[in-house]
Amino acid sequence: GAVVSQHPSWVICKSGTSVKIECRSLDFQATTMFWYRQFPKQSLMLMATSNEGSKATYEQGVEKDKFLINHASLTLSTLTVTSAHPEDSSFYICSASNSGRWQETQYFGPGTRLLVL
Amino acid sequence: GENVEQHPSTLSVQEGDSAVIKCTYSDSASNYFPWYKQELGKRPQLIIDIRSNVGEKKDQRIAVTLNKTAKHFSLHITETQPEDSAVYFCAAGVSGGYQKVTFGTGTKLQVIP
Repeated sequence: GAVVSQHPSWVICKSGTSVKIECRSLDFQATTMFWYRQFPKQSLMLMATSNEGSKATYEQGVEKDKFLINHASLTLSTLTVTSAHPEDSSFYICSASNSGRWQETQYFGPGTRLLVL
Repeated sequence: GENVEQHPSTLSVQEGDSAVIKCTYSDSASNYFPWYKQELGKRPQLIIDIRSNVGEKKDQRIAVTLNKTAKHFSLHITETQPEDSAVYFCAAGVSGGYQKVTFGTGTKLQVIP
């Protein structure tokens, strides 16, 4: 149980284009989903917290107009990197919290590697 | 906000020896402390967690201890095996409803056969 999928697993795009990443909880309802960014050999940096049906809460320094988050259902959250630039190249990983008993436990997706040329 | 420090950044042990990773946190309100293991190119996976109502928790070769007074917690891996080689992250946060956790900087553990 508690499986989270992420799509696509990797994407290469040209500078200036937008990229959408999907995060799905496959066998549980995820009231809350988190989006992280991870640079090589570094820790997980939280970008935003997404609650189903409400606006995402962004961490300080994360541009909400550049990283659009939508959490329209209890099993799906999307992150759209708008007008991507080379500095946005990174590993983006989502996690989901089960709305059951241990709400704080996060289950991670496999990540999406983004390369902006 | 919460600040989590993790040491060491790298750790090499001989197979069969024990490994200890230590973390400190700053927010006294934090009461949930998970540990994640991330193998190269893969997703972080929860290996053990502890809540502030207990001081120690054990699951086979893995144990975690918590000292709330000193605001530090540790991961102990006994009888290490090559498959334990990975990056380990500690985290701290507040339980009770959709709260985020703050991750430490990670420890790269290498178990030498």
